[in-house]
Order: sequence, then structure tokens, then C-alpha cells
Amino acid sequence: GAGVSQSPRYKVAKRGQDVALRCDPISGHVSLFWYQQALGQGPEFLTYFQNEAQLDKSGLPSDRFFAERPEGSVSTLKIQRTQQEDSAVYLCASSSPLGPQHFGDGTRLSIL
Amino acid sequence: GESVGLHLPTLSVQEGDNSIINCAYSNSASDYFIWYKQESGKGPQFIIDIRSNMDKRQGQRVTVLLNKTVKHLSLQIAATQPGDSAVYFCAENSRSGGGADGLTFGKGTHLIIQP
Repeated sequence: GAGVSQSPRYKVAKRGQDVALRCDPISGHVSLFWYQQALGQGPEFLTYFQNEAQLDKSGLPSDRFFAERPEGSVSTLKIQRTQQEDSAVYLCASSSPLGPQHFGDGTRLSIL
Repeated sequence: GESVGLHLPTLSVQEGDNSIINCAYSNSASDYFIWYKQESGKGPQFIIDIRSNMDKRQGQRVTVLLNKTVKHLSLQIAATQPGDSAVYFCAENSRSGGGADGLTFGKGTHLIIQP
């Protein structure tokens, strides 16, 4: 597609459930990023992939958060044993080398 | 820690006027800066970027100014239109490539265009 696509757009889960969020980057973009955006705040960096390699995961808040990009294209962010503080919008961005990051519209995650 | 922040949380301007949104950063190693526009329910939309070897860059109706001496960045929007209403974020990273590292975002400025 023309832009970064994320699914689902909305996800509601009960506390303790596992969730998986999907990101389809712009075709040909080698770099892929995940961010977390709390209400009224700017996005916060979670993790970065170059092709299939996860080069930086310093922003993941706990070991309950896991991201993968096995074939260097689509990426999945998984959150295990969700907690209420995980409620946020999760944004994915992709870029070409030295190009700006282009964002999808995010997945709004609500933990009940 | 190091952070990027904005001076004003809300900016209200008359339609047709010019808008200036300011941003301060504290990381001396920052060498890439970028502005995004975010509308409600959507992801950040790229507006314009600038590298530290430049002090000004122009796009369509937008200009970004970088003052490395005082670590200040501004976004100027000419002849603002109702469609410019949104939250604007500045962001930075400290690697030479825009796609080589995660961005650090400020809190955002809400631009309101009055008719």
C-alpha cells in the first residue's frame, strides 16, 4: 500500500490477556519502529528493526513486551499479561535509509 | 534526562495569519530534527526535517529554523488555513540518518485556527 498500515485499529482486552498488534510498513522500507503514545503526550520510542534484525529494544517497558519482524517486512508487537498501564496508542513507523519516518494511524489499545 | 520540549501547549491564530511553533531541545548531540502534524485519531504526519548542518529549510508554506547555539527549533506556517489545526510535534535523534534511530518527541503544541 501507499502508507504504513496497522491492525487492528482498536483493541480491547481484559487485564492479563495477551495481545498482538500488526504493522505493514511501506514497501521497500528497511527500517521499522514501534512507539507508544499516551493520551496527550508525544510518542515514545519502543524498538527499532533494520530488516529482520532488532537493533534497539531499549524502549520496551518490560519483558512482557516483545516485537518481531521475521522476514524483514511485516512486524508484530506482542504484549503478554496485559496491565491497565499498557493502555495507549501503539504507533508503527517505517523509513528508507536517511529518510524521514512515516507513521501509521496506530492501534488504540484499551485494557479493562 | 535529555528531552525535547515545546514552549507553548496551545497556540491560537487567525486564519490567514502566519504561525510560529517553537521547540527547545537539550541534547547537544542531536543532529537531525523533524516536525510532525497529528490530527485526532491519526498518526503523526511528516511535515519537514532538517539536519544540523543547516539552519533553515523551506517547504510548501512551511519553514523550519534551527539555532544550534541556543538549541532551539521553530516551525513557521504561512497563511494558516483551517486544515492546519492539529497538534504539532518536534522530534530529534542524534544519529546522522533520519531512519537510523528512534526519535525523541516533545509533548506537542495544539494549533487552533480561528476564522
